Amino acid sequence: GEDVEQSLFLSVREGDSSVINCTYTDSSSTYLYWYKQEPGAGLQLLTYIFSNMDMKQDQRLTVLLNKKDKHLSLRIADTQTGDSAIYFCAETYNNNDMRFGAGTRLTVKP
Amino acid sequence: EAGVAQSPRYKIIEKRQSVAFWCNPISGHATLYWYQQILGQGPKLLIQFQNNGVVDDSQLPKDRFSAERLKGVDSTLKIQPAKLEDSAVYLCASSLGPGTGFGQYFGPGTRLTVT
Repeated sequence: GEDVEQSLFLSVREGDSSVINCTYTDSSSTYLYWYKQEPGAGLQLLTYIFSNMDMKQDQRLTVLLNKKDKHLSLRIADTQTGDSAIYFCAETYNNNDMRFGAGTRLTVKP
Repeated sequence: EAGVAQSPRYKIIEKRQSVAFWCNPISGHATLYWYQQILGQGPKLLIQFQNNGVVDDSQLPKDRFSAERLKGVDSTLKIQPAKLEDSAVYLCASSLGPGTGFGQYFGPGTRLTVT
């Protein structure tokens, strides 16, 4: 199908690691992105990975890409209450058009 | 660097009325996008502009939605007439250009409620 799929909910305790998973559809996607959306706000670009990479690390964020399985994940180390938000993965197609998943709502419990 | 600006932030209208949304992208960003985000879903692309030309409007319901970017900077999105199912957040985004890999930068959105 043409849907980018994510699990809808994830709950973790403060200080633990969070792993948010995503399955995308277009094997020709050049870039894959992670966005964060807090209540009442637009989407904030968190990080992205180029399709010829397997992993990218950016401070507390680690992105893993498995092109064979079209699987993308975002790991947040030492998760804080301020990380509570909805996280969207997105694939690119056509001319930098983006297709988003439905979002994973991350809840961080103190 | 100023971000993507949108107005109004909230709008409530009755069905069959008209509404317009405004977007000012990040300075220097040639590509501008309008998305519709229905509650509980990810954003869905409505239209993409490259400067003042339309690149992709395949998912824009053209019988009621229209958009323009006359001078290649600001853009307006209009709905005429509105339906109940148009209730959503309308997000504007901009990027340096297609295929840049820098992603799209989003404004705060306009929350539209159609009653």
